Amino acid sequence: NAGVMQNPRHLVRRRGQEARLRCSPMKGHSHVYWYRQLPEEGLKFMVYLQKENIIDESGMPKERFSAEFPKEGPSILRIQQVVRGDSAAYFCASSPEGIENSPLHFGNGTRLTVT
Amino acid sequence: KQEVTQIPAALSVPEGENLVLNCSFTDSAIYNLQWFRQDPGKGLTSLLLIQSSQREQTSGRLNASLDKSSGRSTLYIAASQPGDSATYLCAVKRTGGFKTIFGAGTRLFVKA
Repeated sequence: NAGVMQNPRHLVRRRGQEARLRCSPMKGHSHVYWYRQLPEEGLKFMVYLQKENIIDESGMPKERFSAEFPKEGPSILRIQQVVRGDSAAYFCASSPEGIENSPLHFGNGTRLTVT
Repeated sequence: KQEVTQIPAALSVPEGENLVLNCSFTDSAIYNLQWFRQDPGKGLTSLLLIQSSQREQTSGRLNASLDKSSGRSTLYIAASQPGDSATYLCAVKRTGGFKTIFGAGTRLFVKA
């Protein structure tokens, strides 16, 4: 049973370019969470999605950032016109539907570097 | 607003020592509390999950306790080994909410 898969593992973008980060949740999981980790800091919640719905995006910057989780395919975190401050590790986690006490399962993250 | 604090921020101990990592949270209305391990440059590995109705969970040399009324959890590591060196993160999931909130972590170094 494959775990949460994130790709790419490392992504380098120049300022002003777009970054697309992908996350495939564990099999049977329909809830996806995105977190950002800045160097030497803890994980900060960005967005929570279920299939085809954004449930809570309170942690995501209002501009340049968007997320989706289509009916088919992985969840995508998109950052437009990246700036140096977007350099961070972005982690995706998933959990099963309707089980509030289930643990979060994390992927290995995508490390974004903006040059 | 839920805030999660972990003390100490960093800890260095000799191999074989028993140790305790602390986590405190400000809002006791939680579904669960989860402890994770993160190795440098890697993702998070779930160690233990304590549901709000439970007082502790054990896995091997690890024991985690939860005191909701005081807003505290501890992670006890017995007979520490160099392979335990990592950052340990505490995270709480609020009742009625969707977010799991993380502490900043405790960086543990176990010296051989």
